[in-house]
Amino acid sequence: NAGVTQTPKFQVLKTGQSMTLQCAQDMNHNSMYWYRQDPGMGLRLIYYSASEGTTDKGEVPNGYNVSRLNKREFSLRLESAAPSQTSVYFCASSRKNTEAFFGQGTRLTVV
Amino acid sequence: QKEVEQDPGPLSVPEGAIVSLNCTYSNSAFQYFMWYRQYSRKGPELLMYTYSSGNKEDGRFTAQVDKSSKYISLFIRDSQPSDSATYLCAMSTTGGGNKLTFGTGTQLKVEL
Repeated sequence: NAGVTQTPKFQVLKTGQSMTLQCAQDMNHNSMYWYRQDPGMGLRLIYYSASEGTTDKGEVPNGYNVSRLNKREFSLRLESAAPSQTSVYFCASSRKNTEAFFGQGTRLTVV
Repeated sequence: QKEVEQDPGPLSVPEGAIVSLNCTYSNSAFQYFMWYRQYSRKGPELLMYTYSSGNKEDGRFTAQVDKSSKYISLFIRDSQPSDSATYLCAMSTTGGGNKLTFGTGTQLKVEL
């Protein structure tokens, strides 16, 4: 009963380094999302993929890129990390017009 | 002004109390309404999901949606220390890729 699996769980990067956050879901959902959560800001949408082969920007896309590798997997890439990208990142998935299910998060610190 | 407003708390109540959590919103196109519970250092987990206006009950939890007032509520009866968490409201429209817009969350502490 894995649901939504994110890797890694923790990461520390130096400013300017790059990394990819991985997400996979086993619920056969069409839609997948990347959110970031910061104190006092709630969850903010970075990018989403309504279906395999499509991606769209959310509220805070600058500094990020995404790839919908297949129906199961949706990755988030930071090309040149900045301290402002220190956050907790959550991946989620859903069927159309239904509730979203979340992974356990990736805690990223950029120093 | 944010699309979804939620009092951040913290809210502290004694065990057994009835808890009322609320969100207001400005986008009249929202049709789907959700409440998530998030424990510290964990991902949000879905508590309640409702479509359009009305009430929905699940055990000790009741969700209410009043679209005319753009106001949603979550009631927790007989609150327990294990209910201590942050509660997030979320909502979405029928189109737009099912994107969820979240409130900032209300931190709840239920004390013995």
